[in-house]
Amino acid sequence: GAVVSQHPSRVICKSGTSVKIECRSLDFQATTMFWYRQFPKQSLMLMATSNEGSKATYEQGVEKDKFLINHASLTLSTLTVTSAHPEDSSFYICSASTPGERGVLDTQYFGPGTRLTVL
Amino acid sequence: GQNIDQPTEMTATEGAIVQINCTYQTSGFNGLFWYQQHAGEAPTFLSYNVLDGLEEKGRFSSFLSRSKGYSYLLLKELQMKDSASYLCAVVRSNYQLIWGAGTKLIIKP
Repeated sequence: GAVVSQHPSRVICKSGTSVKIECRSLDFQATTMFWYRQFPKQSLMLMATSNEGSKATYEQGVEKDKFLINHASLTLSTLTVTSAHPEDSSFYICSASTPGERGVLDTQYFGPGTRLTVL
Repeated sequence: GQNIDQPTEMTATEGAIVQINCTYQTSGFNGLFWYQQHAGEAPTFLSYNVLDGLEEKGRFSSFLSRSKGYSYLLLKELQMKDSASYLCAVVRSNYQLIWGAGTKLIIKP
């Protein structure tokens, strides 16, 4: 099956620093990648949608200057949390999709997630 | 507005059958996903329904009624490892997902 990796799996940083998280589709080309964050005991919250070669579409309330997304190729998207603060501590998960047999994005393959802790 | 409802928590016995319901009200519909998520891990794909009816995959089945805005996930022959959260998500017209809050399923011996 399709595999999506994320790196790093865990990161601890000081307040004010920037953190980059990579999301890679290992054995398929992902036309669309999604970035989510998840707080404990809460559902996934979509942050942004990125299509290869174009600017990401951010959900309402998500600061695009703070969460920089780059989808440079069909197998790689990066999320950079700039000037991270303790309230940015969360579980960040990416997913990758490509049109399936039914002509729609009929599944999303999730990465294992990155746990960010900002001190 | 967009709204997806599913029960917060359910308890079932090992070897039994459990049905997790999901109702939704969304603008545009391009299918519905069910995912399983163990604590501290990313979700795992279980099923995708876009047409009305029941789709069976081994011990898991998923049903959709678009006219009623309703879906359920049916788990048979429950095993202890099935203890997890089950997330219902609807695909919007632009292919983005709207997520339910998840149903925590507790399996007892």
